[in-house]
Formats: sequence, C-alpha cells, structure tokens
Amino acid sequence: LAKTTQPISMDSYEGQEVNITCSHNNIATNDYITWYQQFPSQGPRFIIQGYKTKVTNEVASLFIPADRKSSTLSLPRVSLSDTAVYYCLVDVNTGGFKTIFGAGTRLFVKA
Amino acid sequence: KAGVTQTPRYLIKTRGQQVTLSCSPISGHRSVSWYQQTPGQGLQFLFEYFSETQRNKGNFPGRFSGRQFSNSRSEMNVSTLELGDSALYLCASSRRTACERYSNQPQHFGDGTRLSIL
Repeated sequence: LAKTTQPISMDSYEGQEVNITCSHNNIATNDYITWYQQFPSQGPRFIIQGYKTKVTNEVASLFIPADRKSSTLSLPRVSLSDTAVYYCLVDVNTGGFKTIFGAGTRLFVKA
Repeated sequence: KAGVTQTPRYLIKTRGQQVTLSCSPISGHRSVSWYQQTPGQGLQFLFEYFSETQRNKGNFPGRFSGRQFSNSRSEMNVSTLELGDSALYLCASSRRTACERYSNQPQHFGDGTRLSIL
C-alpha cells in the first residue's frame, strides 16, 4: 500500500505562501492524493484532492508532477488561523477503501 | 446541509467495560469509515462500511467491531476496554460507492468521540 512522508513541522509568518511537500513513492494507478487540515479536538477537514498536474480551489492549490511520486500543497497568504496539522494521504481501493494517514505536518503560523 | 454527527462527544469508562459509539453520516452518503486517533499512533483506520457490509478492516483486535444500518448510520463497539483504548474516535462519510476504482470522493469527518479509560 502507498505510504506518505511529510515534514513533521513547518513555521511561517502571516501573509506568506506555504508549500508542504508530500512523498508517495509507491502510489498506484488508481490512487488519488488528498489533503486534510485538522485543528485540535476536531475531525480532519477536506482541503483539496487531485490525480495529476494542478488543482486549485478557493483555499489551496495542489501540484502533482508527471510521475506522481510526490505532491505539493500550496497555501497562499497564510493567516494565524491556518495553524493546524496538514495530512497528505492516498486512498486505496482494495475491494473497499482503506485510507492510510501519515504523521502529518504541523504548521505554525506566527504574527 | 448537516455534517457528520458523532455521539456522544465525550465518554469516560473503566477497564473491562464495553462502549458503543454512534455516527450519523451526511445525507446521501453510504460509505462510513471509522478511525482511532492517539498522540502516539496518529490516525489509524479501523474499518469501512458500505450498504451494511464491512468492506475493509484495519489492524485492530477483534474487540473492535462495527455495524451499519439500512439508513447508513453506523455504530462501533469496543469490548473489554483497555487503558490503551483511550483515544479520539472519528467517523467519516463519503459518496463512495462499491464499484469505484478511483477514490475521487473525499471523506467528511465528524468531530469525534473522546473516549477516556480509567
């Protein structure tokens, strides 16, 4: 099964762009890459999902190179409220979906 | 549109007891998954249900079980509770179907049930 690897933590300042890269070397043909955000004592919240190239929505962009062995979540102009844990994961269909979460990246945004 | 609802939000039990947690998915979602989150192990997949059938299971002992009802609501049960079962238990629902090859339907999580074992 595909496993993801992300930096454990990152620091940034308000107003900056933050890029979090995730490695998923064993990603399979059927796998999508999904990113979630989690605040303490809350469930993860869906941010963005992609299969290849670039995906953009109102809160983030996701860049996926042609080999799909990594992906980069880009958060434009972060604010203090973006301080959270960000998870990159792949969902694997093995006759039923089995979601594998990595350790996540703890982003701390400073004023 | 209502999100995923989990009850209760907090629960305190003692070792050896059993517990049942409940999850109401988003209307129209038929896939429900359960996760355990602890500081040491992070988010770990427990099992997934679709149309009242368990389709996949994580690496947890048989003390952890679940079921899904015809209205897609789901419950998970933990028997003979151990101290290590203290965790945040999360439920997620999705529009995923049984026939999809591509997992392009994201999961939507509830805020969990915080279970503490004394």
